[in-house]
Amino acid sequence: AQSVTQLGSHVSVSEGALVLLRCNYSSSVPPYLFWYVQYPNQGLQLLLKYTTGATLVKGINGFEAEFKKSETSFHLTKPSAHMSDAAEYFCAVSSNTGNQFYFGTGTSLTVIP
Amino acid sequence: DVKVTQSSRYLVKRTGEKVFLECVQDMDHENMFWYRQDPGLGLRLIYFSYDVKMKEKGDIPEGYSVSREKKERFSLILESASTNQTSMYLCASRDGLAGVPKTQYFGPGTRLLVL
Repeated sequence: AQSVTQLGSHVSVSEGALVLLRCNYSSSVPPYLFWYVQYPNQGLQLLLKYTTGATLVKGINGFEAEFKKSETSFHLTKPSAHMSDAAEYFCAVSSNTGNQFYFGTGTSLTVIP
Repeated sequence: DVKVTQSSRYLVKRTGEKVFLECVQDMDHENMFWYRQDPGLGLRLIYFSYDVKMKEKGDIPEGYSVSREKKERFSLILESASTNQTSMYLCASRDGLAGVPKTQYFGPGTRLLVL
């Protein structure tokens, strides 16, 4: 069984501050992990994904995430928040044998000027 | 670029009406998905299809049905809409190649209000 937990449904940061959005997963098989972003009234857009290889993954818009197997985590970070980063962020897990993705409940990011 | 389109961005229907939500993808993907998104619940899978005329129930199929007559089109049907089906509906597609799972590409969503 696979599941995703996103700690903190709402996160607020000041413009220019570090962004840290937390994601923990459970998976009985090697996981594939994804972060998606959703801007208001839009669909989901892929930020980055981890499948195999390097555990630090870089994505679009300056975001990156690190797969830590020992901690079953895939936290999303960005060194300096921008106003345009305000959105909802979803972590998802899948496996190489399944068609399904399992999504977390989302974290709404607010950036304070 | 993959493009997934949904027939309506906003829809208002009355209780008991039959509702069709259409989704079209232009990348010849085998797999297509319907999710609903509700505050605090994230995305929940309603149905998915891995080929034409093939479908599988997701986590919350009750009250919904689907149709996939052509590879590029996946329809979600609410046989008799109810107020608890007011939600944002998201369609997604991905290719079906075995091995490393490919990215799911999402449409812009349909916000459905059932009165």
